[in-house]
Amino acid sequence: EAQVTQNPRYLITVTGKKLTVTCSQNMNHEYMSWYRQDPGLGLRQIYYSMNVEVTDKGDVPEGYKVSRKEKRNFPLILESPSPNQTSLYFCASSLGTPYNEQFFGPGTRLTVL
Amino acid sequence: SQQGEEDPQALSIQEGENATMNCSYKTSINNLQWYRQNSGRGLVHLILIRSNEREKHSGRLRVTLDTSKKSSSLLITASRAADTASYFCATVDYGNNRLAFGKGNQVVVIP
Repeated sequence: EAQVTQNPRYLITVTGKKLTVTCSQNMNHEYMSWYRQDPGLGLRQIYYSMNVEVTDKGDVPEGYKVSRKEKRNFPLILESPSPNQTSLYFCASSLGTPYNEQFFGPGTRLTVL
Repeated sequence: SQQGEEDPQALSIQEGENATMNCSYKTSINNLQWYRQNSGRGLVHLILIRSNEREKHSGRLRVTLDTSKKSSSLLITASRAADTASYFCATVDYGNNRLAFGKGNQVVVIP
């Protein structure tokens, strides 16, 4: 089944404790991206990747890192999480470019205390 | 930057009625996409309309695009309780590779 998976689905952590949210897709998509969703603010793009080893900042990259060492994986790293990073996070992928249909993961609900 | 802006923000209708929501954007686009999100879940792609298209249909969905007004509308006909969700429009500006979503329309269909 074609899908985007994210882990963990739920995470409660404390300020400053490094964490990684994994994202994997099995559709051989080139484009992958991370979004955060907050009430009243909609979805905002954090980082995106056009292909392996090609990443770039989205609208709200501060406090986040990403890497794209393999085509299927695009982990989101929070080196020192803070409470303002409490949010619902989504990974998405698409064939080729962002102009195409995006396939979303199920989401990761992160709480930073 | 957040380009798509939907209007109205929340809509409550009876089952069987039509639901219409609008989206405006600011710059030149390649295409405009609509997505649905059921409470807290991942977004699901509904329909894509290219900048050279004016109208597109998919089942009970009808999307229009007016590039002169930089706006799009999504019409759901004969709504069902299962259509209860948030609906987002999304665009990609020419010249960058960032997909920008609007803040979403919440639609509640009352059985």
